[in-house]
Amino acid sequence: EAGVAQSPRYKIIEKRQSVAFWCNPISGHATLYWYQQILGQGPKLLIQFQNNGVVDDSQLPKDRFSAERLKGVDSTLKIQPAKLEDSAVYLCASSLGFGRSTDTQYFGPGTRLTVL
Amino acid sequence: AQSVTQLGSHVSVSEGALVLLRCNYSSSVPPYLFWYVQYPNQGLQLLLKYTSAATLVKGINGFEAEFKKSETSFHLTKPSAHMSDAAEYFCVVRVSSNTGKLIFGQGTTLQVKP
Repeated sequence: EAGVAQSPRYKIIEKRQSVAFWCNPISGHATLYWYQQILGQGPKLLIQFQNNGVVDDSQLPKDRFSAERLKGVDSTLKIQPAKLEDSAVYLCASSLGFGRSTDTQYFGPGTRLTVL
Repeated sequence: AQSVTQLGSHVSVSEGALVLLRCNYSSSVPPYLFWYVQYPNQGLQLLLKYTSAATLVKGINGFEAEFKKSETSFHLTKPSAHMSDAAEYFCVVRVSSNTGKLIFGQGTTLQVKP
């Protein structure tokens, strides 16, 4: 079974530029998550989708971050404009469905973003 | 609100020695608890999970964790460390079954010395 795919793996941009990350979840997984992991910290949830609807985006900086999951499969996360403090690893995860007590999130390899 | 605290950001052990990584949780409801491992330049991998069945949970690569409600702890152990165990380990609590949101601890870097 293929895992969660993310691209690109690495991205370097100047501040105030825009950037987009792509995620392809495990086939059949209804729930998709985007996390931000700043160096030295644990991942922090940015947004959670159930199919193509948003379940939780309470920690997404909506003035500069946006995310979509068209057709309930692939997802893109965009930052526009980027700030220095956005330098982090962006992780995508997917799971069968968060309503199950045994639900497990599977993580992709992440995209390491450096903002100069 | 649920949270987890990992005691010690860095732990160093000798190869063959006992591994003990400490985690305490805070939750007003019975928690779902997890340990994830992150190898260098790789994604997070699930080691084990507690979902209110057995209090002693066995995971992959010889790791296990014991849920102790009286101590609000979920420490991770392995009897004998291997060089390949060197990685960062995260203790994680799931907020509730209604959202699936995970709250991660700060992480503990395990160093294994030859």
